[in-house]
Amino acid sequence: DIQMTQFPASLSASIGDRVTITCRASQNIDSFINWYKQKSGEAPKLLIFAKYSLEGGVPSRFSGGGSGTDFTLTISSLQPDDFATYYCQHNYNVPWTFGQGTKVEIK
Amino acid sequence: QVQLGESGPAVVKPAETLSLTCNVSGGSMTSSYWSWIRQSPGQGLEWIGHIHFTGRSDYSPALESRVTISLDTSKKQVSLKLTSVTAADTAKYYCARENYYGTGSYSKFDQWGQGILVTVSS
Repeated sequence: DIQMTQFPASLSASIGDRVTITCRASQNIDSFINWYKQKSGEAPKLLIFAKYSLEGGVPSRFSGGGSGTDFTLTISSLQPDDFATYYCQHNYNVPWTFGQGTKVEIK
Repeated sequence: QVQLGESGPAVVKPAETLSLTCNVSGGSMTSSYWSWIRQSPGQGLEWIGHIHFTGRSDYSPALESRVTISLDTSKKQVSLKLTSVTAADTAKYYCARENYYGTGSYSKFDQWGQGILVTVSS
């Protein structure tokens, strides 16, 4: 199985801050990575697929990058609705696995 | 817009079988895979397995011996059965559409149900 290591596990930031979350795969996964946002008590919501493609309706302040084994999710200017937990997920080969999550909290 | 809704018992006794159903509305079940994903309280996401409308399925190796996912396109339902449950199977269970695109290699969970919390307890 491909392991996805996500860090940091949590971070505190202020409105307007630039935030970057990192996900490291245990092997090269090319561009087969997606990012999700989950608010407390809700289902996850797809933000970015295929490393950097924005899902419809997702604000442009979200962006994805990286290559090979190291990937990033960046929020360019943190907004109140962005306080949530974020997960990466690979779709290189089954079984699909998720990172452990990064909780973004208000400073 | 496809909508998904999970249903089933909220409590299952240890050693029994957990059975859940996901109802799919507002779209076609063909050309997609349908996944089950779970989340233990306060924990991360765990992919359980998926099924294609052709019947092809894959499961997480950690659960493969206990899991069966099936599809009924006439009823527009995806079902999950997990046998011999223990307290470790207590989780919120989600069904999700796994959409393939591009060359058909990339996939994404682009639609999710609201999830159903299942507690394993006697």
